[in-house]
Amino acid sequence: DQQVKQNSPSLSVQEGRISILNCDYTNSMFDYFLWYKKYPAEGPTFLISISSIKDKNEDGRFTVFLNKSAKHLSLHIVPSQPGDSAVYFCAASEVENYQLIWGAGTKLIIKP
Amino acid sequence: SAVISQKPSRDICQRGTSLTIQCQVDSQVTMMFWYRQQPGQSLTLIATANQGSEATYESGFVIDKFPISRPNLTFSTLTVSNMSPEDSSIYLCSVRTGNEKLFFGSGTQLSVL
Repeated sequence: DQQVKQNSPSLSVQEGRISILNCDYTNSMFDYFLWYKKYPAEGPTFLISISSIKDKNEDGRFTVFLNKSAKHLSLHIVPSQPGDSAVYFCAASEVENYQLIWGAGTKLIIKP
Repeated sequence: SAVISQKPSRDICQRGTSLTIQCQVDSQVTMMFWYRQQPGQSLTLIATANQGSEATYESGFVIDKFPISRPNLTFSTLTVSNMSPEDSSIYLCSVRTGNEKLFFGSGTQLSVL
């Protein structure tokens, strides 16, 4: 039972355009969501997070949107740069236990 | 934040053998975890490494297969025992430093022949 789903295994975007990565979840008890970025041969690194009391959080070129009614979140990267090429993981947790449940990841490829 | 050194970075092992992965953190941390990422899959928590006591394993993972040591607040090892090709994965050490965010080591790419 996948509680966190990233339905697109890969995404290809032109440099300078917007990249939109999507994530769906099934557990209505999740109230904290994170995005991690992973380069080959490296561990995942924290990118941005959002709590359920917000519907948007922005950090530079990265914005995460949360739609609680749809149990959906998305990560927007504007403008996309070649260094953004990586695998992006969505993760969610219930604040009480802090255990993160992970999606399978989306490989983002930025084309020059 | 935390700097995590994990080794080996990769290994190729024969079926039936065991491999021990080491994780060293540059500061004392309470919460230390071991994850597995099988090809094309999400990160799956294997266990929480507890300092001074037995590790807490998630459903589907057992101590005989994945023994874990945590002798102090900066170091832990994970052993993958009696390996089979199904154990071919990336194994990741991670720590939490006071909030929900996790920091990860660079991972161990394990291939079992």
